[in-house]
Amino acid sequence: DSGVTQTPKHLITATGQRVTLRCSPRSGDLSVYWYQQSLDQGLQFLIQYYNGEERAKGNILERFSAQQFPDLHSELNLSSLELGDSALYFCASSVSAGFPGANVLTFGAGSRLTVL
Amino acid sequence: AQTVTQSQPEMSVQEAETVTLSCTYDTSESDYYLFWYKQPPSRQMILVIRQEAYKQQNATENRFSVNFQKAAKSFSLKISDSQLGDAAMYFCAYRSYSNSGYALNFGKGTSLLVTP
Repeated sequence: DSGVTQTPKHLITATGQRVTLRCSPRSGDLSVYWYQQSLDQGLQFLIQYYNGEERAKGNILERFSAQQFPDLHSELNLSSLELGDSALYFCASSVSAGFPGANVLTFGAGSRLTVL
Repeated sequence: AQTVTQSQPEMSVQEAETVTLSCTYDTSESDYYLFWYKQPPSRQMILVIRQEAYKQQNATENRFSVNFQKAAKSFSLKISDSQLGDAAMYFCAYRSYSNSGYALNFGKGTSLLVTP
């Protein structure tokens, strides 16, 4: 157990629907990162939050949004889902937003989204 | 943006033998961090080893070691005394020292098969 908790583990939904993925970071970690892993695109960075504020954006679609709450858990909202959104979505956490230190990212087990 | 290239989609090694996984990256920065993550069939992303670019000494973690060649922008992973449990997807990742996001940029991965 990495200490990063993601729910749900699996989710099957239809095109056009909206889903919410939840992540609880490791105790003491203030920064949360979301990644999408698909077969053809590999691991793509979506977005990062630090202590409730957005810190960096990657290849996140406009149909996707995220937020980090005061208790530091984070949610990734995916709307108007398309077949191509089927992927494994990872949440990772680290102690701080960046340096000093390597601030190793600890990953959760992922949420497998299947869009039919 | 920094790019990470893993040129070996698949590698195979016999149990107890040594294997080296290749990784190259492209960056104009002088300070950064490099990582190897392992993703077994469980899909959990597990940190294997990390290297600070300002350190000349190659990192070592038990049977895992790296060959970091900064000038060549190369960061290979050597696994000694390979075990069946080492079978997994291995991802090389780059983390900027100065980028405000500090997210990891991943390569496409190398699938490692370990044969008895």
